[in-house]
Amino acid sequence: EVQLVQSGAEVKKPGESLKISCKGSGYRFINYWIGWVRQMPGKGLEWMGIIYPGDSDTKYSPSFQGQATISADKSISTAYLQWSSLKASDTAIYYCARVDQSMVQGAIIQGAFNIWGQGTMVTVSS
Amino acid sequence: DIVMTQSPDSLAVSLGERATINCKSSQSVLYISNNEHYLAWYQQKPGQPPKLLIHWASTREFGVPDRFSGSGSGTDFTLTISSLQAEDVAVYYCQQYYSTPGTFGQGTKVEIK
Repeated sequence: EVQLVQSGAEVKKPGESLKISCKGSGYRFINYWIGWVRQMPGKGLEWMGIIYPGDSDTKYSPSFQGQATISADKSISTAYLQWSSLKASDTAIYYCARVDQSMVQGAIIQGAFNIWGQGTMVTVSS
Repeated sequence: DIVMTQSPDSLAVSLGERATINCKSSQSVLYISNNEHYLAWYQQKPGQPPKLLIHWASTREFGVPDRFSGSGSGTDFTLTISSLQAEDVAVYYCQQYYSTPGTFGQGTKVEIK
């Protein structure tokens, strides 16, 4: 079964650092882009960025560039989202999701997020 | 960034009736070389992660009931639930994956009237 399993809920203070994880299984991890999506309390979905674990190529939304860092360790099929100095406004659920891909006329095309992790709740409060 | 705008923000529909959600992109999400619209619809129920329903604007994901359908082209797209069931109560999001960042609409909350 293809799945993404995220690390557990975190409660942190402003200014603290944090790294949350997303472990893929049931597929060849290095060959699929993985994305991170933020959902603030009671709000909608926000695309933060994606990473290709095969070569760590990373693309960020301008809204999140410099706010958090996306990385991956292909040896353990795990993607990460980390902050060096958390703010109260980072309080949210963070989802990782795998980008679908298909072969069309010999070319790989990237699709929607078809596999989602269960989410990691991050609470930042003094 | 491509801006995705959904309408309405919420709607209440009687069981068995049709629900229609619209999504407009600020620029075309049609990729000319493969003639595909890079547009997806997701369903999110309370306390759960989003679930992919429709991709390529009109292709249902495996296992999605056929009462869900997607249509549209260019910049205007529609998600239709042909006969609303109780289990369809959720928030629905459109997303473009034509370019990064892969922006989402603001969401449409569907409830039972």
